[in-house]
Amino acid sequence: GESVGLHLPTLSVQEGDNSIINCAYSNSASDYFIWYKQESGKGPQFIIDIRSNMDKRQGQRVTVLLNKTVKHLSLQIAATQPGDSAVYFCAENSYTGRRALTFGSGTRLQVQP
Amino acid sequence: DAGVIQSPRHEVTEMGQEVTLRCKPISGHNSLFWYRQTMMRGLELLIYFNNNVPIDDSGMPEDRFSAKMPNASFSTLKIQPSEPRDSAVYFCASSLNSLGGELFFGEGSRLTVL
Repeated sequence: GESVGLHLPTLSVQEGDNSIINCAYSNSASDYFIWYKQESGKGPQFIIDIRSNMDKRQGQRVTVLLNKTVKHLSLQIAATQPGDSAVYFCAENSYTGRRALTFGSGTRLQVQP
Repeated sequence: DAGVIQSPRHEVTEMGQEVTLRCKPISGHNSLFWYRQTMMRGLELLIYFNNNVPIDDSGMPEDRFSAKMPNASFSTLKIQPSEPRDSAVYFCASSLNSLGGELFFGEGSRLTVL
């Protein structure tokens, strides 16, 4: 598997429960945010994104919440499944800016059957 | 589409050797990114290209690292000479919308320098 993991914060949930993964960002100029999922041995995979003109966006079983006041982003996964076990990263940049995505340090989600 | 294709998937080499990592972005994408992932530093951007032109290489660790994109369908990341601290997983990603859109990642190249 990939090298990221030994020092990551870990969230352990029971199968079927809801999961909430949090992320704080520091750049107030950021206006575009993405959540990525990385399974062992694979590259990060897009889950959901949100722009700063929104505070909530829903996908299939996932919801992203954005609080620009406190620079906080969260990913909610409904009815967590064993296949959701992975490392989750938030990433940010400016949609009209000239810098590439900056990734957070990641959170490991472990789903207990 | 096959997605972003990277090679080799794994490479083990000795200190001082030259390493070349390769990437084929998704056809039609105009931006290509090289990231490095380690336990200590997480995912770090090394360099990105837009329309085959390097835009920001401020993340390249030092002169031992170089990257090229000779055409829209191919990029290389070269380390010469390699050192043990270069051991990491190197990811290539491409995107359609330059800096503001979703990145599509390859499976990564795991480099071990002994």
